[in-house]
Amino acid sequence: EAGVTQFPSHSVIEKGQTVTLRCDPISGHDNLYWYRRVMGKEIKFLLHFVKESKQDESGMPNNRFLAERTGGTYSTLKVQPAELEDSGVYFCASTGTVNSPLHFGNGTRLTVT
Amino acid sequence: ELKVEQNPLFLSMQEGKNYTIYCNYSTTSDRLYWYRQDPGKSLESLFVLLSNGAVKQEGRLMASLDTKARLSTLHITAAVHDLSATYFCVVGRRTSYGKLTFGQGTILTVHP
Repeated sequence: EAGVTQFPSHSVIEKGQTVTLRCDPISGHDNLYWYRRVMGKEIKFLLHFVKESKQDESGMPNNRFLAERTGGTYSTLKVQPAELEDSGVYFCASTGTVNSPLHFGNGTRLTVT
Repeated sequence: ELKVEQNPLFLSMQEGKNYTIYCNYSTTSDRLYWYRQDPGKSLESLFVLLSNGAVKQEGRLMASLDTKARLSTLHITAAVHDLSATYFCVVGRRTSYGKLTFGQGTILTVHP
């Protein structure tokens, strides 16, 4: 079974630019999560999709972040405009049932200069 | 707010030695996970602990949970180089539907 895949693996952009991260969950997993780890901090929850609906977006830091999951398959996380403090590693995870262990992707390392 | 504290954050061990990583969490939870991450790779689930007194073992790793003390341990027996990785203690609640709280991670390096 293919795992959770994330694209790109690395992204370097300038402050004020826009970046879109993509996540393809494991096929058949209705639950999709975004987490991120900024420098020196813990990995923190951003939001949770169930199919195409946002179940919980309490971790989204501000309105510069927009997550979508059209059709309940892959998800995108757009940062517009990017700020320096957005630098970090963005992880996507999926699971078939909400209380099973999450399957994580390799992450996207975002650097904003 | 749920907080998860791991210690130590950095652990340098010799092969063949034993050591324990500790994880304390601040409020009641009903599930605790240990994840492993190799550099540049995804996080891999090692153990899921759901009840007080739960103990799980896989190879040289053994995890336990004391819900009354809000403490989990990850014990390493006779460490080998392949165990070098970052280990995360992760806590969740059934009612949080997969919204997890992570510890800071313990970077384990095993030397020959």
